[in-house]
Amino acid sequence: SAVISQKPSRDICQRGTSLTIQCQVDSQVTMMFWYRQQPGQSLTLIATANQGSEATYESGFVIDKFPISRPNLTFSTLTVSNMSPEDSSIYLCSVRRGGESEQFFGPGTRLTVL
Amino acid sequence: EDKVVQSPLSLVVHEGDTVTLNCSYEVTNFRSLLWYKQEKKAPTFLFMLTSSGIEKKSGRLSSILDKKELFSILNITATQTGDSAVYLCAVEASGTYKYIFGTGTRLKVLA
Repeated sequence: SAVISQKPSRDICQRGTSLTIQCQVDSQVTMMFWYRQQPGQSLTLIATANQGSEATYESGFVIDKFPISRPNLTFSTLTVSNMSPEDSSIYLCSVRRGGESEQFFGPGTRLTVL
Repeated sequence: EDKVVQSPLSLVVHEGDTVTLNCSYEVTNFRSLLWYKQEKKAPTFLFMLTSSGIEKKSGRLSSILDKKELFSILNITATQTGDSAVYLCAVEASGTYKYIFGTGTRLKVLA
């Protein structure tokens, strides 16, 4: 497994502001992903964070709204930009070591937008 | 379109009961299936299944995959109140390295 930390664990933000969420892994991993879980819903993949290049976004998610960085194999950030109440969700970082490996999740960030 | 369907959506049982949770899927070139337990924020990994008919077991939990009929089940025997959670199933299509999640089954175990 992997030890994954996320900061902040929760935040309450005002409409129109931005929040950056950090994800740190205790060892190098091949793949890092960002998910969103809206209240009462399942997990939806936002994007794959690619080391040293632009993230790969899923349908319905765009870089201007959810810019992602991944400067190395142990760290990534997700920014939620120009927030609205509809962005209130749990944001989860997950990692896989390789193509045959399991996927593990960080503790999550609970975001509330007022 | 790839999809994962879990049933039932919710379930209420009493301590000591045995439950079976279902996950059916339609994906192009299936590669693997994962089961998770989610109590608060972060899903906790339970099992990874890649081959049909091979049961994975951990304590009171077990799971098996049927690649012909495109489904998996998660069994929990002698349930305890600590088993109360949402159980998530996720499926990977070959070559994507991404998992598609089902809607989850919310299990509540009463004392």
